[in-house]
Amino acid sequence: AQSVTQLDSQVPVFEEAPVELRCNYSSSVSVYLFWYVQYPNQGLQLLLKYLSGSTLVESINGFEAEFNKSQTSFHLRKPSVHISDTAEYFCAVSEEAAGNKLTFGGGTRVLVKP
Amino acid sequence: DAGVTQSPTHLIKTRGQQVTLRCSPKSGHDTVSWYQQALGQGPQFIFQYYEEEERQRGNFPDRFSGHQFPNYSSELNVNALLLGDSALYLCASSSLLQGQYEQYFGPGTRLTVT
Repeated sequence: AQSVTQLDSQVPVFEEAPVELRCNYSSSVSVYLFWYVQYPNQGLQLLLKYLSGSTLVESINGFEAEFNKSQTSFHLRKPSVHISDTAEYFCAVSEEAAGNKLTFGGGTRVLVKP
Repeated sequence: DAGVTQSPTHLIKTRGQQVTLRCSPKSGHDTVSWYQQALGQGPQFIFQYYEEEERQRGNFPDRFSGHQFPNYSSELNVNALLLGDSALYLCASSSLLQGQYEQYFGPGTRLTVT
């Protein structure tokens, strides 16, 4: 069975500083990987995804994530955060053979300080 | 283009009662998945509907049931409510017919059981 571990439950960071959110997954088959963001009192928004091809994927608002198959990781990075990036971030995985059922990590709360 | 919509936004019920939550998928999507997000946790997969049938089910008791209608909208029913059922219930839509593995989430229904 697949599982997802987000190693940091909370990450405080100053505005314009870089941030990295760590995500490791456990699966014995091919996987698809996702990062979702959840702002307070809202649903989840897809931030970026890895389905195949280049292992480095980018979002339109400056986030990037790199799929590392040997380390079974999909860490999320942003070189310079804004106050508006304050939110909860969820890493999720789906197995190719299991449709698109998502298994989520426990989430990482990012608090950007001025 | 309307995204995923859910109703109601909030709901308060008493233990032992039954509840029905509703979801309309994003235009062009044919698959609906339901997730439960307890406070401070990542979403947990409940079940998925495609072609009006339950395709996959997570580790939830039979008190949780669902339905998908010909127009692809869906309902989640929970019987004999327990205090532990208090959570944000998220609906997600996708298009397996088009081979899309990313899911788009609605804003959620916050259920409080007293």
